[in-house]
Amino acid sequence: DVKVTQSSRYLVKRTGEKVFLECVQDMDHENMFWYRQDPGLGLRLIYFSYDVKMKEKGDIPEGYSVSREKKERFSLILESASTNQTSMYLCASTLKGQGATDTQYFGPGTRLTVL
Amino acid sequence: QKEVEQNSGPLSVPEGAIASLNCTYSDRGSQSFFWYRQYSGKSPELIMFIYSNGDKEDGRFTAQLNKASQYVSLLIRDSQPSDSATYLCAVNRAAGNKLTFGGGTRVLVKP
Repeated sequence: DVKVTQSSRYLVKRTGEKVFLECVQDMDHENMFWYRQDPGLGLRLIYFSYDVKMKEKGDIPEGYSVSREKKERFSLILESASTNQTSMYLCASTLKGQGATDTQYFGPGTRLTVL
Repeated sequence: QKEVEQNSGPLSVPEGAIASLNCTYSDRGSQSFFWYRQYSGKSPELIMFIYSNGDKEDGRFTAQLNKASQYVSLLIRDSQPSDSATYLCAVNRAAGNKLTFGGGTRVLVKP
């Protein structure tokens, strides 16, 4: 079974704090993704990574950065948290396949509240 | 126009009936289409994917794809209360493994 874990289920931080969200997968997947999910807006891609030390911006990268030092770990960093970053954050991973049908496996999510 | 559109619902269906969920997408280069189920407070889990025109069946679920009309649907037969969840349509972008998600349709199955 594919397992994607995230460091925290719930997190409360203050405006201006630096926040680290960590994601670990145990299936040797090349591709990893960070999304945020907000009511009415669905899942939106923040950043993704196709390999170690490689990262690409998704649709809403502003205010975020990422780090991928090891294949199994993908970290999302909020340099200076703001209240509009209060959201559910979901990590996903998938194999680097040839086709377009590779399933993305999701972690349990981190619900971040910024006060 | 959103890239992937779904009716937000809620779609209310009686137990045992067929639930029909629709999804339209704007990128004609899209190749693969996914349906995820998400229970409240949980993360999405894959139900099935489809990449060829026509129907694909998996148990009580049937996905239908019409690329000419840029339309993908999900049918849930013999709906059960445990099917009450939000169903997310996701479309693979023309390049890479990135997905674009719709906003989801909330389904309520009433006993």
